[in-house]
Parts: sequence; C-alpha cells; structure tokens
Amino acid sequence: DTGVSQNPRHKITKRGQNVTFRCDPISEHNRLYWYRQTLGQGPEFLTYFQNEAQLEKSRLLSDRFSAERPKGSFSTLEIQRTEQGDSAMYLCAILDQGTEAFFGQGTRLTVV
Amino acid sequence: KQEVTQIPAALSVPEGENLVLNCSFTDSAIYNLQWFRQDPGKGLTSLLLIQSSQREQTSGRLNASLDKSSGRSTLYIAASQPGDSATYLCAVTGSGGSYIPTFGRGTSLIVHP
Repeated sequence: DTGVSQNPRHKITKRGQNVTFRCDPISEHNRLYWYRQTLGQGPEFLTYFQNEAQLEKSRLLSDRFSAERPKGSFSTLEIQRTEQGDSAMYLCAILDQGTEAFFGQGTRLTVV
Repeated sequence: KQEVTQIPAALSVPEGENLVLNCSFTDSAIYNLQWFRQDPGKGLTSLLLIQSSQREQTSGRLNASLDKSSGRSTLYIAASQPGDSATYLCAVTGSGGSYIPTFGRGTSLIVHP
C-alpha cells in the first residue's frame, strides 16, 4: 500500500480525444507531484502542488495539459487533444514529512 | 539543473551474487537521495531514503551509501535473488525549497536462477 491511488490504471484513447486521470492520496499530504515516464526512461517531473496551489510546471507541460487540486486533497491531470507522443505512464507522488516520496501505481496511457 | 546518471543501464547476474548499482548527480546541494524499485508496468516502490547529513542506510539485504561531496551514491544488494529482478531508480531532491525529486534512467536488473 503506497498511500496513493491512481485511476484509471490503463487508458486507451484515440488521437485527438481528451483524457483525465485522477490521483487520490489516502491521507493528507501538503505536496503532490505529477510525473511522466516513457519506456526505458526515468520519471520526468511535470508539475507539483502545495495544498491547492500549483507552484511549478515543467516545460514538458504543454498548454494541452492542465492539472488541478481542488481543496488540496485529490488531484486531476487532463490532456486535451491527445497526440501519440503523449503515450506514457503518468505517475502521482506525495511527500511525507520526512520528504520521502511515495508513488502510486500510475496510469498507463496509450494514444492510438 | 540537476542531472542524475545511473550506471550500469542493465545488469544480468546469476542468483547469489552481491551487486553494486551506481548513481551520480551533478549538483551536490541536495536535501536527500532516494532509491526506488520498479517492476514492469508498475509504479515505484521506495527502498531507502538517505538524508543529506547521512552516509548510509540499510534495509535487509540492501545498503545505500551517499557521498554528497563527490556526487555519488551506491546501492548494494547482497545475495541477489530472482525476485530482485526489476528496474532500480535513483532520485535526488535538491535543497532549493521546491523539493522536486530528479530521477536517473535506472538500472535494469535481471537475476537468473
């Protein structure tokens, strides 16, 4: 039990469609992070929240991507007008008080 | 910008061998370093966390060391088992305040019986 639940686990979508992923920390954590991981690569930082405030975005996060964390609990990541290059594993992480990061099982997106 | 490098990229060993996985980073101003394990198609499982003031951490057959000044960490796996087969990732968190872990590409380990 990583303390982070991500849904869906897998998503297959046609190019041009919009998709939304959800991240639910089991308990309250101030910081929530989104990463993207492609095959054979390490996770790459996309964005993070402190409570409900989105504090930093990577240049990887194009204007087709938007993330929210209403009420500072769960978070959503939406991709509009998906492209084949968006196919990846999207990972959510939380940091506990000792700044040890815990990750969810990820959402694997396949754009066909 | 922090860069993290992991060597080797892949490793295949017979069961029972002791292993050393390497991680190097370019900016020594770190808050901590964390080792993760990732099974195919799965998320990341935290193995060990080393704070910047620490030199090593141990958990079972795993031992991680940190030499902040030289920008290096090693993960030592004793008496490897087939169940250890996975990708091992190193992540460095900078001390600048945003606490964003930066990852290497990982070492893909296969332990064969």
